[in-house]
Amino acid sequence: GQSLEQPSEVTAVEGAIVQINCTYQTSGFYGLSWYQQHDGGAPTFLSYNALDGLEETGRFSSFLSRSDSYGYLLLQELQMKDSASYFCAVGGGYQKVTFGTGTKLQVIP
Amino acid sequence: DAEITQSPRHKITETGRQVTLACHQTWNHNNMFWYRQDLGHGLRLIHYSYGVQDTNKGEVSDGYSVSRSNTEDLPLTLESAASSQTSVYFCASSESGGYNEQFFGPGTRLTVL
Repeated sequence: GQSLEQPSEVTAVEGAIVQINCTYQTSGFYGLSWYQQHDGGAPTFLSYNALDGLEETGRFSSFLSRSDSYGYLLLQELQMKDSASYFCAVGGGYQKVTFGTGTKLQVIP
Repeated sequence: DAEITQSPRHKITETGRQVTLACHQTWNHNNMFWYRQDLGHGLRLIHYSYGVQDTNKGEVSDGYSVSRSNTEDLPLTLESAASSQTSVYFCASSESGGYNEQFFGPGTRLTVL
């Protein structure tokens, strides 16, 4: 089976940098992805890492270390609109993913 | 533009009733998924399908069923609704081949009284 751990809540200041960590245990691993969900909205895809290293997409970056079963999402130049829940998800089989319980990010002025 | 829609957006029903939640996508994706989202549990997979006539159980499939008669639709049926099935339900779809991002519908908030 799959299990993922991520912090339940994080608070950061507007303009700052925040890192959201995710550790996982899985019987099969095809990659780590991240989704963003605003209150009352649907999850939307942010990034995917299949190989070790850093992937950068604008203000967001995602990192994966397969040997450590660990990844993180890095958000730079935080904006108020980044206040949302962030989910890591492990792909453990063809197209099927298991989601973590989510990290609620609050950006404060 | 391609999209994925869910209906109804809100539903209140009584214990023991059969309920069907609709999911329709115009992405022409082969893969479709149903999740439920509850506080403290994140998104949990109920059922999924890799194509027409294919359905598979997820981690919380008890009390739910799906059928896939065409590419666009994957309706989710609660055979006999229970209060424990009060939740927000999301449908998602993705392309075939390798790993691809999932596109989510807007969700259905279901309350079972």
